[in-house]
Amino acid sequence: GAGVSQSPSNKVTEKGKDVELRCDPISGHTALYWYRQSLGQGLEFLIYFQGNSAPDKSGLPSDRFSAERTGGSVSTLTIQRTQQEDSAVYLCASSLGRLGKTQYFGPGTRLLVL
Amino acid sequence: GQQLNQSPQSMFIQEGEDVSMNCTSSSIFNTWLWYKQDPGEGPVLLIALYKAGELTSNGRLTAQFGITRKDSFLNISASIPSDVGIYFCAGQLGTGGFKTIFGAGTRLFVKA
Repeated sequence: GAGVSQSPSNKVTEKGKDVELRCDPISGHTALYWYRQSLGQGLEFLIYFQGNSAPDKSGLPSDRFSAERTGGSVSTLTIQRTQQEDSAVYLCASSLGRLGKTQYFGPGTRLLVL
Repeated sequence: GQQLNQSPQSMFIQEGEDVSMNCTSSSIFNTWLWYKQDPGEGPVLLIALYKAGELTSNGRLTAQFGITRKDSFLNISASIPSDVGIYFCAGQLGTGGFKTIFGAGTRLFVKA
């Protein structure tokens, strides 16, 4: 596709359940980022993938959060045993990596944990 | 860790007025970025700044990279209703990675 796509666009789940959020970056972009945006807040960095390098996981808030990127393209952010405070918009972005720093964002997944 | 202080948190202005917002940091960044986010969408890059002292324009928008590399401002001239949204500053270290730190955003409201 022409831009970054994310699915689902909205997710409602019950506390304690696991959720998976998907990100399809722009074709050819080697860098992929996940951010969390709580209501009325800025973007909180979660994790960054660059090519085959080890990801920068320094922003993951707890061990309930994990992410993987298969084949250098699609990425999945997994939240285990969701808590109400996990409710937020999860944004994915991609960039050309070392060839370009500009990040292009997807529309986000709105997660609500009841 | 690195933090960006963005101000003001919100602005209520009349159409046609000029707007100024800024970001400061205790850390040095090699790249400053300004994004705009419309409701229900992801942020969109407005201006990227790569050199200390750099002044860059994009239509009615002008942004500057502070000399100390610890601050940046964004000006919007002759505001229009579609300028409404959240404006984020962001800084990148750019060395060995592209981790990006975002400010909390400035919410702009424009009254026609």
